[in-house]
Amino acid sequence: ELKVEQNPLFLSMQEGKNYTIYCNYSTTSDRLYWYRQDPGKSLESLFVLLSNGAVKQEGRLMASLDTKARLSTLHITAAVHDLSATYFCAVGDSNYQLIWGAGTKLIIKP
Amino acid sequence: GEEVAQTPKHLVRGEGQKAKLYCAPIKGHSYVFWYQQVLKNEFKFLISFQNENVFDETGMPKERFSAKCLPNSPCSLEIQATKLEDSAVYFCASSQSPSWDEQYFGPGTRLTVT
Repeated sequence: ELKVEQNPLFLSMQEGKNYTIYCNYSTTSDRLYWYRQDPGKSLESLFVLLSNGAVKQEGRLMASLDTKARLSTLHITAAVHDLSATYFCAVGDSNYQLIWGAGTKLIIKP
Repeated sequence: GEEVAQTPKHLVRGEGQKAKLYCAPIKGHSYVFWYQQVLKNEFKFLISFQNENVFDETGMPKERFSAKCLPNSPCSLEIQATKLEDSAVYFCASSQSPSWDEQYFGPGTRLTVT
């Protein structure tokens, strides 16, 4: 059974700092997704990672995938308040359903 | 359309009543997924469709939940005899080809069972 563990679950940080969110999963998959959710809102797709070694960057966010270690990271560089949200990783299983991490609630203080 | 549409936004039902939720996928997307998000942010997969055919229903509590995707109609998720534990936000997502494409999420329907 595919399980996804995300950590930390809660992160409070200062603007301008760097930090990394980790996403481990338990069985083989070649599809990993990062989504952002603002309170009371839907999910916004951030990154789709489809191969070992994939690295994608958008603004202050960078995501990577190591399928051998079954690990993805979401790195935040020089955080700004607008990045405050809950971030989810999700792994695609063999039937395409997404298996979700518990989410990381990120609060960035000015 | 260019976005996944879900109706209604909010739905309140008394325990034991029926609830029906609707989802219109992005035009051209052949896969539709339903997920349930409960209060602690936990997402649970319910069911997926490829066009009008059930693709994966391993997450569905079959006793009370049913879903359809009929041609030229919005997809629907129906809960017969709702229970308090059904209170959640129900998200629909669509995808052109989930083997390489992301799933695009609708705004969700918040179901409150009282």
